[in-house]
Amino acid sequence: KQEVTQIPAALSVPEGENLVLNCSFTDSAIYNLQWFRQDPGKGLTSLLLIQSSQREQTSGRLNASLDKSSGRSTLYIAASQPGDSATYLCAVRDDYKLSFGAGTTVTVRA
Amino acid sequence: ETGVTQSPTHLIKTRGQQVTLRCSSQSGHNTVSWYQQALGQGPQFIFQYYREEENGRGNFPPRFSGLQFPNYSSELNVNALELDDSALYLCASSAGGGYTFGSGTRLTVV
Repeated sequence: KQEVTQIPAALSVPEGENLVLNCSFTDSAIYNLQWFRQDPGKGLTSLLLIQSSQREQTSGRLNASLDKSSGRSTLYIAASQPGDSATYLCAVRDDYKLSFGAGTTVTVRA
Repeated sequence: ETGVTQSPTHLIKTRGQQVTLRCSSQSGHNTVSWYQQALGQGPQFIFQYYREEENGRGNFPPRFSGLQFPNYSSELNVNALELDDSALYLCASSAGGGYTFGSGTRLTVV
């Protein structure tokens, strides 16, 4: 059974600081890994999708890396802004489902 | 049509009742999945449909059932509601790569 862990559970930083969010998973037999953002009480917004054959993906201020052999992914958010405050979830895909971590709740202080 | 649309956004039901949640998937996405997200936790996989057939199921009892229709819409039905069924229910669609999620339905069982 795939287990996904996200550390830390919560993070508070001043505006402008870079954010580093970690995700680990137990079974390296994955198709891809996806990072999502979730605002309170809302659905999930996809941020980045990394295929199992890829090492990283970038979109604007966001960069995600994947080390499948060690079961780790890291999401970097450069120059954080108050609008980045949200919960960030990572999910790994196996045959037919996504397995999620519990998320990291980020607060960016103005 | 783009995006995933879910209805209703909120509803309140009494223990023992039945409920139907609806989802309109992104056009061209022949895979639809449903997830349950309890407060403070990551989403948990309920089941997945591919071309109107269930092709994967998580650890949920048979009182959770679903349907997928040819027009990319789908339903999640829950019978004999229990208090622990109170959660955010998320629908997601995929064309084989990453998943696109809807905004969810907040179900409260009293």
